[in-house]
Amino acid sequence: GEDVEQSLFLSVREGDSSVINCTYTDSSSTYLYWYKQEPGAGLQLLTYIFSNMDMKQDQRLTVLLNKKDKHLSLRIADTQTGDSAIYFCAERRSQGNLIFGKGTKLSVKP
Amino acid sequence: DVKVTQSSRYLVKRTGEKVFLECVQDMDHENMFWYRQDPGLGLRLIYFSYDVKMKEKGDIPEGYSVSREKKERFSLILESASTNQTSMYLCASSPLGQGNEQYFGPGTRLTVT
Repeated sequence: GEDVEQSLFLSVREGDSSVINCTYTDSSSTYLYWYKQEPGAGLQLLTYIFSNMDMKQDQRLTVLLNKKDKHLSLRIADTQTGDSAIYFCAERRSQGNLIFGKGTKLSVKP
Repeated sequence: DVKVTQSSRYLVKRTGEKVFLECVQDMDHENMFWYRQDPGLGLRLIYFSYDVKMKEKGDIPEGYSVSREKKERFSLILESASTNQTSMYLCASSPLGQGNEQYFGPGTRLTVT
C-alpha cells in the first residue's frame, strides 16, 4: 500500500516494556524515524535508523528494522508515565520528503 | 539545540480571510516543511522548500501557498481561509546530509469560523 501503517493505540503498565510497530512502504527508503508528540506540543525526534542497520539502541529505546518485511519497531524498556504520548514512525523517500504514519497513542497506566 | 519557532500557538480567523503562518529556524537548515495534522489522518505534507525561493508541492497543496525569501523563514499562506482548513499546522526544518532528520516547531492551532 501507499501508507505507513501503525496501530492506533497501545496501553501498558508502568515498568513494562512497550513495543510500537510500523510497516513502511518504500524499500528504497534510506532513513526511518521515530518521533514523539506530547499533548499540545510539536513532534520531537526520538531516534532514527539508517536502512543498512538492523538495530539501534539508545538508552531505554531499541529500534529494530526488518528491511525484507519493511517492518520497523520501537521498544521502550521500563515504560514510565512520562512516556505517554503519540509516537509516529516516518520513512524518508528518495526525494527527501518524509512520509508519516498516523501515530500510535501510548497510554501508560500506573 | 535546534530551535524552530512558529509565530502563533493559537489563531482564530474568519472564512475568506488571508492567513499568514510564519516559521523561523535558527540552525541554518536548508530544508523546511509545512504539515497539517488532523485526528485520524496523521501528518500530511503541504509544501516544502530545499532552498531560498524554491518550493515544492507536497501531498495536499490545494488552498495553500508558501514563501521562502530568506533561508531561516518559511511562510505558509492561506489565500482565502475556509473551515476545512481548521487544523494544527506544524513547521519543520532539516539539514542537508546526515539523516535529514526533521526538527519540528510547537505547532499553530488554526480555527477558521
